[in-house]
Amino acid sequence: DTAVSQTPKYLVTQMGNDKSIKCEQNLGHDTMYWYKQDSKKFLKIMFSYNNKELIINETVPNRFSPKSPDKAHLNLHINSLELGDSAVYFCASTTPGSGGNTIYFGEGSWLTVV
Amino acid sequence: QKEVEQNSGPLSVPEGAIASLNCTYSDRGSQSFFWYRQYSGKSPELIMSIYSNGDKEDGRFTAQLNKASQYVSLLIRDSQPSDSATYLCAVKSAGNQFYFGTGTSLTVIP
Repeated sequence: DTAVSQTPKYLVTQMGNDKSIKCEQNLGHDTMYWYKQDSKKFLKIMFSYNNKELIINETVPNRFSPKSPDKAHLNLHINSLELGDSAVYFCASTTPGSGGNTIYFGEGSWLTVV
Repeated sequence: QKEVEQNSGPLSVPEGAIASLNCTYSDRGSQSFFWYRQYSGKSPELIMSIYSNGDKEDGRFTAQLNKASQYVSLLIRDSQPSDSATYLCAVKSAGNQFYFGTGTSLTVIP
């Protein structure tokens, strides 16, 4: 069973369109994330949710809106897509705590805006 | 965003050599440190975690942590062509968020 799954894996769309990426984790984790990885491999945190509550919202355009219907799901909706939004978007999850613990990634969603 | 910096690379080493990857971080409150490996077209996968100052060895991999210098490194001994990938340093901040470095691309030449 896939621990963190996200769909779609590939998405090609035109500028100005609105699209969504869905993410689900079956690990029982409390915290979920969206990361954006650009062509230079930099993994930038976008959003972090803990038990459906927004914890962190890095400097991300308002066109990006996350939604967490429950702690196992974190979806990402993008309005008015721009060329610069082309990237790989990774969903991830972990369990918060003071101890060290790892973060598990989904397989990524390759978004191409043309 | 909390800063995590890595030597930019790309790094090329011959097969059998030691590959050395370095990382510095800015948040002194960070307590947990990780190295991830990412093959082209794949998601990052955890290869090492370290929480205490000193060295931690796991097979051919050794992670080194120096909190006073805010420095983490990864040594790969007896490098193999299959080790060719991008290596990402990650730091778990005092606020329990994971921040990643820019990655170092490693190529092991047969």
